[in-house]
Amino acid sequence: GAVVSQHPSWVICKSGTSVKIECRSLDFQATTMFWYRQFPKQSLMLMATSNEGSKATYEQGVEKDKFLINHASLTLSTLTVTSAHPEDSSFYICSASGISVGRIGELFFGEGSRLTVL
Amino acid sequence: QKEVEQDPGPLSVPEGAIVSLNCTYSNSAFQYFMWYRQYSRKGPELLMYTYSSGNKEDGRFTAQVDKSSKYISLFIRDSQPSDSATYLCAMSASNYGQNFVFGPGTRLSVLP
Repeated sequence: GAVVSQHPSWVICKSGTSVKIECRSLDFQATTMFWYRQFPKQSLMLMATSNEGSKATYEQGVEKDKFLINHASLTLSTLTVTSAHPEDSSFYICSASGISVGRIGELFFGEGSRLTVL
Repeated sequence: QKEVEQDPGPLSVPEGAIVSLNCTYSNSAFQYFMWYRQYSRKGPELLMYTYSSGNKEDGRFTAQVDKSSKYISLFIRDSQPSDSATYLCAMSASNYGQNFVFGPGTRLSVLP
């Protein structure tokens, strides 16, 4: 199956700093990438959808200026948590879908990134 | 009422048991139904992908969709300790990932 790599897998930062998380499709071109947030024992909450070369579409309640998403190429999307605070601590997961890979609409997930803000 | 409901568990079974995992939903427009397995601190991986109603079998896994009851199931036969994970159901009215709705997941422990 298609592989999505997410980095870093775990990051600890101080309150007020910014953290960048990368999501890469390793063996296919991801026309669309999705970013989720997952709290312990809870489901995946979609934060935003990004298409290569265009601005991300954010879900209701997600701060655009807080969570900056860039999808500059067909294999890379980044999520930057700006001025992170302890309440931003969570598990962030990306997924990707692409043309001619997998079944129609099939999502391939990254390994997730655990952010801890002190 | 949440759009997708799933018993969070935890569910503990002995090795070799048949496991039944279920989700109910309220949106009759859902056409695509998926089951994902998520190991601790890892991203979800797709187990089963079903369009519309019916059964689908893949090895030890069987997915069932009953659209009339708005109820989907995942059965795991001859469960193994390696099956211990959280199982998420997901569904969508379209095949566009933005519209996927995930259940909260059921934590399964298969005891040796």
